[in-house]
Amino acid sequence: SAVISQKPSRDICQRGTSLTIQCQVDSQVTMMFWYRQQPGQSLTLIATANQGSEATYESGFVIDKFPISRPNLTFSTLTVSNMSPEDSSIYLCSVWGGMGDTQYFGPGTRLTVL
Amino acid sequence: DAKTTQPPSMDCAEGRAANLPCNHSTISGNEYVYWYRQIHSQGPQYIIHGLKNNETNEMASLIITEDRKSSTLILPHATLRDTAVYYCIVRVWGAQKLVFGQGTRLTINP
Repeated sequence: SAVISQKPSRDICQRGTSLTIQCQVDSQVTMMFWYRQQPGQSLTLIATANQGSEATYESGFVIDKFPISRPNLTFSTLTVSNMSPEDSSIYLCSVWGGMGDTQYFGPGTRLTVL
Repeated sequence: DAKTTQPPSMDCAEGRAANLPCNHSTISGNEYVYWYRQIHSQGPQYIIHGLKNNETNEMASLIITEDRKSSTLILPHATLRDTAVYYCIVRVWGAQKLVFGQGTRLTINP
């Protein structure tokens, strides 16, 4: 299994500011995934982050709004830029582990934008 | 990936078996059925997955019909801690993405 930690666990931010969320994994992984879960909704994939290359964004998500860094095989950051109340969500980091057949999730970062 | 259909909510008495259905009528031969659950405000937790044979682990059993168009997740002795949203997901082996639907909100009642 993979153990994933995220920082911060929660934050309350003012609109127009930016927040960087950190994801740390206890083993080296090729791909890391960032999901968003809006209140009362299911999870939506934001982007896939490979080490040493630009992240691949899903439809509806852009790099200017959600820049991602992947400096090494155990760490990634997601920045939520120029925040608005609509960005209030839980942001989750995820990796594949085991035999490559199980996806593990971090505890999430609960973001509230006022 | 094939779509899945799950009931939006279910109730089950504590100590009873909870049987959560999932329809995936358009599943293809190389797609696996995965189950995850999300306890309130936590990250999703992997439960079990299977291709065509029934599977069992320490958490649950997965029963997949012979035509693979539907499956049932069974929690044999549900406890209050099993209250969560349960997601049934179909994934092509090797595909990197997991696509989440709306899931079933399971409530275990004392």
